[in-house]
Amino acid sequence: GAVVSQHPSWVICKSGTSVKIECRSLDFQATTMFWYRQFPKQSLMLMATSNEGSKATYEQGVEKDKFLINHASLTLSTLTVTSAHPEDSSFYICSALLDIQETQYFGPGTRLLVL
Amino acid sequence: DAKTTQPNSMESNEEEPVHLPCNHSTISGTDYIHWYRQLPSQGPEYVIHGLTSNVNNRMASLAIAEDRKSSTLILHRATLRDAAVYYCILRDLEMNYGGSQGNLIFGKGTKLSVKP
Repeated sequence: GAVVSQHPSWVICKSGTSVKIECRSLDFQATTMFWYRQFPKQSLMLMATSNEGSKATYEQGVEKDKFLINHASLTLSTLTVTSAHPEDSSFYICSALLDIQETQYFGPGTRLLVL
Repeated sequence: DAKTTQPNSMESNEEEPVHLPCNHSTISGTDYIHWYRQLPSQGPEYVIHGLTSNVNNRMASLAIAEDRKSSTLILHRATLRDAAVYYCILRDLEMNYGGSQGNLIFGKGTKLSVKP
């Protein structure tokens, strides 16, 4: 199957700092990528949809100025958590849409801990 | 996307078949049935998807009821590595991929435990 990578796999940062997470589709091009967040013992919640070459679309309640998304190429989308706070600590997961299969392939996730 | 209903948890013995049910009584004619699974501390993994006919791949089989109001994911021989949360998700093929219409809506899924 198609492979999606994320970097870093985990990160610990101090409150107030910014953290960038990369999502790459390794063997296919993805015009659409998605960013999800998952808190412990909960299901995945969509944060935003990232379209190559255009602005991301954010779900209700997700602050676009806090969670900056850039999708500058067909294989890379980045999520930057700006001025991170402890409540932003979560498991962040990206996915890339493989159009010809109508299927999303997910990255392994990035665990963020804000102290 | 239409809603799905799955049991919260199921147990299976290793090397036995597992049938994971999913009800989707409000499914529309253009909804595909997707199954993903999530192992602990990992991102979801695509398992299988189908529209009307039963589907088989190297991971599993998908049996779809004739009226499409339910489906069953079949793991032919469960292994310990199959212990995961399994999500049954409906995805409308006619929706645009831009914006949130292209995303998958995850419910709580079924937590499958496999006993040795």
